Amino acid sequence: KAGVTQTPRYLIKTRGQQVTLSCSPISGHRSVSWYQQTPGQGLQFLFEYFSETQRNKGNFPGRFSGRQFSNSRSEMNVSTLELGDSALYLCASSDPRGGVGSPLHFGNGTRLTVT
Amino acid sequence: AQSVTQLDSQVPVFEEAPVELRCNYSSSVSVYLFWYVQYPNQGLQLLLKYLSGSTLVESINGFEAEFNKSQTSFHLRKPSVHISDTAEYFCAVILSNYGGSQGNLIFGKGTKLSVKP
Repeated sequence: KAGVTQTPRYLIKTRGQQVTLSCSPISGHRSVSWYQQTPGQGLQFLFEYFSETQRNKGNFPGRFSGRQFSNSRSEMNVSTLELGDSALYLCASSDPRGGVGSPLHFGNGTRLTVT
Repeated sequence: AQSVTQLDSQVPVFEEAPVELRCNYSSSVSVYLFWYVQYPNQGLQLLLKYLSGSTLVESINGFEAEFNKSQTSFHLRKPSVHISDTAEYFCAVILSNYGGSQGNLIFGKGTKLSVKP
């Protein structure tokens, strides 16, 4: 099976712009989660989607949004970019049928740099 | 609110030496506990997990972790490390009453293990 694929790998944007990141989960995985990773804050949960519905949301401003499509692919969008949004954005998929014991499978991330 | 503390941000160690990476958590309800590993330029991979049962859990590559409820700890240990163990290790928790998958893991800030020859 192909792993979790995130595109693009690298992105450079300027303040005020918006950006869309894409994530293709492992085939059959219907749960997709997004995390922001920075040196200072570590890994922080953004949101989780299951069957096209947002199941949980972390403590991020409304500029951060996401969605999931019927094929389980997911996108996250950040509007009005700020310098502090520079981070590695990680997507993870899992098979919820295994319950909480099902591991998260992470992609290699999208490195976003805001200048 | 739940939180995870990894007491050491960096741990340098020589090859074949033992290592312990410390993790403590705080939660008003019971939790499930995980260790994930991140090799350079890669995403995270599940190393091991504690859901219930035996408090000592093991991974396939020689790591083990012990759940200690009274000390709210889940320290990761390996008796003899290899160069290939160089990576960043993350401890994580999820509430036992969350249900569903691990999608809402709360991670510690990570410990960088550097194994020197």
